[in-house]
Parts: sequence; C-alpha cells; structure tokens
Amino acid sequence: DAKTTQPTSMDCAEGRAANLPCNHSTISGNEYVYWYRQIHSQGPQYIIHGLKNNETNEMASLIITEDRKSSTLILPHATLRDTAVYYCIVRVQNTGTASKLTFGTGTRLQVTL
Amino acid sequence: KAGVTQTPRYLIKTRGQQVTLSCSPISGHRSVSWYQQTPGQGLQFLFEYFSETQRNKGNFPGRFSGRQFSNSRSEMNVSTLELGDSALYLCASSLGTRYTGELFFGEGSRLTVL
Repeated sequence: DAKTTQPTSMDCAEGRAANLPCNHSTISGNEYVYWYRQIHSQGPQYIIHGLKNNETNEMASLIITEDRKSSTLILPHATLRDTAVYYCIVRVQNTGTASKLTFGTGTRLQVTL
Repeated sequence: KAGVTQTPRYLIKTRGQQVTLSCSPISGHRSVSWYQQTPGQGLQFLFEYFSETQRNKGNFPGRFSGRQFSNSRSEMNVSTLELGDSALYLCASSLGTRYTGELFFGEGSRLTVL
C-alpha cells in the first residue's frame, strides 16, 4: 500500500468547514483512498472512500486531485463531535487483504467553539 | 441493526496469564479482523478470519491467535501475557468481499497487564 502523509494536528472553528489534506504521491492506479476517524477511546469509524472521482456522502466530501497524488477530506460544517483523529489510508481493493488496513499516525482535528 | 460487540470491555491480567477476547460481528458479515492499538505503535493489524479460516495475518508472535465460529463470531487469545501486550484490542467486521469499502469496528477490549 502506498504511504500517506498527513499533518499532525489541525484546528477548526465549530460551524466552519474542516479541510483535512493527505499526500499520497506514490499511489498506484488501482489504489483507493479511504478515510476513517477515531473519536477518543472508540473504535475507528469509516467515513468515505474513492478512486479518482470526487465523492460525497452524508458525513463528508472527498476531493482527489487529477493526478491522484493528494486528496482532501471536507467536513462541511464541523461540530464539537467531529473532534477526532482522522486517518487517510491508501490501498488496493483486494478480497484477500480487504480487512488489512495500514493506519498511520493521522491528523488530530480539534473543533473549538 | 446491531453493531459489532466486543466483550469484555475492560480486563486486568498479570504477566504470564492468558486472555480470551470475544467479538460478535454485524449480522450477515463473514469477515472478522482484529487490531491492536497502543500509544507507541498505533493501530496494527493482527489477523483476519473469513468463513472460519484465517485469511490474513499481521506481524505478531505466535502467542496471538484467533478463531472464528460457524456463526461468524470470533475470539482471539493471547497466551503468556507480557507487559507490552497492554493495549486496546479492536475487532472489525465486514462483508469480506472484494468491493467491501468499509470496516465496522467495535468499541474494543482494553487489556491491562500488570
């Protein structure tokens, strides 16, 4: 799986959009970008994933650059409950290794009043 | 539908003992994977079971083992506990097919080894 680089921490005011960047310059053509988050003392929670098109769901939007070397997770209206560590993971979608995720250190997002 | 259930949530053991942790996946999910989370090493993959067979394994010593039952419930066992085994052990379930986009994690079992 390709290596990812994320900022260690970020702050965001409540109600504003939180934009979390991820660099994956060595990504291969068949690797997907996944985002998970982990709220303190809970298990990680899946947010969104994509291959090359931008994706949106009820939680967030994922913007992948045209060259796929980086991506941004957008939480449109951050709330205090979005305070968590956000992990960007790049991986091939393969049956045999589907559940083997390589978590990095992630970005600690602090949402403040 | 009910989420992933892990038991026990907290436990304390002493060095040399063994421990068994249990995980009940979401109904219909056939894949169960286990992760260890420590402050120093972060989240690390232990192993995955699919249809009662270990399908993938991480880089952990043989003291860490697991199994899956016909109803997809899974257990993991750690024998001869060491202080460094103190961690949050997380279980995740999924359909286990190629196009599985997401893992559903439980809240974890927090093990303290004294």
